Order: sequence, then C-alpha cells, then structure tokens
Amino acid sequence: DAGVIQSPRHEVTEMGQEVTLRCKPISGHDYLFWYRQTMMRGLELLIYFNNNVPIDDSGMPEDRFSAKMPNASFSTLKIQPSEPRDSAVYFCASSRGQGAAFFGQGTRLTVV
Amino acid sequence: EDQVTQSPEALRLQEGESSSLNCSYTVSGLRGLFWYRQDPGKGPEFLFTLYSAGEEKEKERLKATLTKKESFLHITAPKPEDSATYLCAVQAYSGGYQKVTFGIGTKLQVIP
Repeated sequence: DAGVIQSPRHEVTEMGQEVTLRCKPISGHDYLFWYRQTMMRGLELLIYFNNNVPIDDSGMPEDRFSAKMPNASFSTLKIQPSEPRDSAVYFCASSRGQGAAFFGQGTRLTVV
Repeated sequence: EDQVTQSPEALRLQEGESSSLNCSYTVSGLRGLFWYRQDPGKGPEFLFTLYSAGEEKEKERLKATLTKKESFLHITAPKPEDSATYLCAVQAYSGGYQKVTFGIGTKLQVIP
C-alpha cells in the first residue's frame, strides 16, 4: 500500500487567497484525521471523519476552515481566506477502527 | 482537559549510550497510548500502541512501557539513525468523541 497521500507537499500563497489541501487515505481505513503542526503548539487535531462523516470538528480554529470527505478515498481541507497565522504543516492521517493512525508526508503551507 | 507532557524536550546521546524518554499524561478514560517517530520534513511514523498499565512492547532497540500515569520509551545502545523526534499521544473518549492528544515531543540526537 502506498500509505496516506497528500498534495501538494508545499504551498505558498498570498494572504486572502483560498487554499485547498488534499488527502487520499489508506484503502480500507474508516477513520480520517486532519492535523496541524507548529513549533509552538505541536500536533493539533482539527477534525476527524468516520465512514466519510465528520464526527468532531471542535479543533477547527475558525469558520475560515472547512473539510469534506465526499468518498472513502478522498478528503479536502480548505482555508478561505488564508492568513499568515495559518502557516504550518498540515497532516492527514487514517486508521482502521480506533487503532493507531498512519500519517501522510504533510503539506507545508506558507501564507505571505 | 487531557494533557500530555514529554521530557526532556531534547536529548543528546553518544552512540551506544542507553537512555529513556518520558511521557506523562492526565486523561480521563485512557483507551490507548501511542508512540511515534518523526524525521525532519516527514509525517509521524507509528511505533507502538500500549493499552494497559504493565504492558510492554519492543522493536529493535526501542522498548515502550506503560504505567497508570506515564509511559517510557527506552532506547538501548542507540545508533545515529535513531536520531529523530519521538512523539507520544493518548487516546481517550469524551462525550462520545474520540480524542487524541499529542505531546510536543522529545528531539533525540545520537552522536557517532
């Protein structure tokens, strides 16, 4: 299996622009997680899905952030409009049941 | 609120010098504790899951143990390739939601 696949690996955008991050989870995994990692706060859970349904989005920082999972093999995290403080590494992870999550390589987002 | 504290924040070891990393936690209803390894520019890589006090898991030079309040990651005779940041995470359930809280990590450097 190729593991969790994220795209793009790097994104540089201007403040106010829309940013869309993409994730393909491991086939057969029924949980999908979006995390954000910064030096100051470490890894923070933003939202997670179970069987394509959003279960807990309490970690989403603001209404500018939204996530969708239209099918079992694809999810997006969108930021609109983006701000410099959104700069971070965003990880997608997936798991089978409530076991350990397996992470993608991440998207490094820089908002200038 | 669930809390995970890892110590030390950074550790420098000579090759072959064994040591332990600590992960102390405060959580209601612990379901599992995870250890991950993260290399620069990459996503966290799953190492171990521990479920109950007294449980131990081993993989090569690493051994993870769990008590009711903390977990240790013991590194025996480390090699330079063991250099990485080691992350601890606790999984709990609150209000029907799965919660995973990560520590900030311990950055390990093994010098030849």
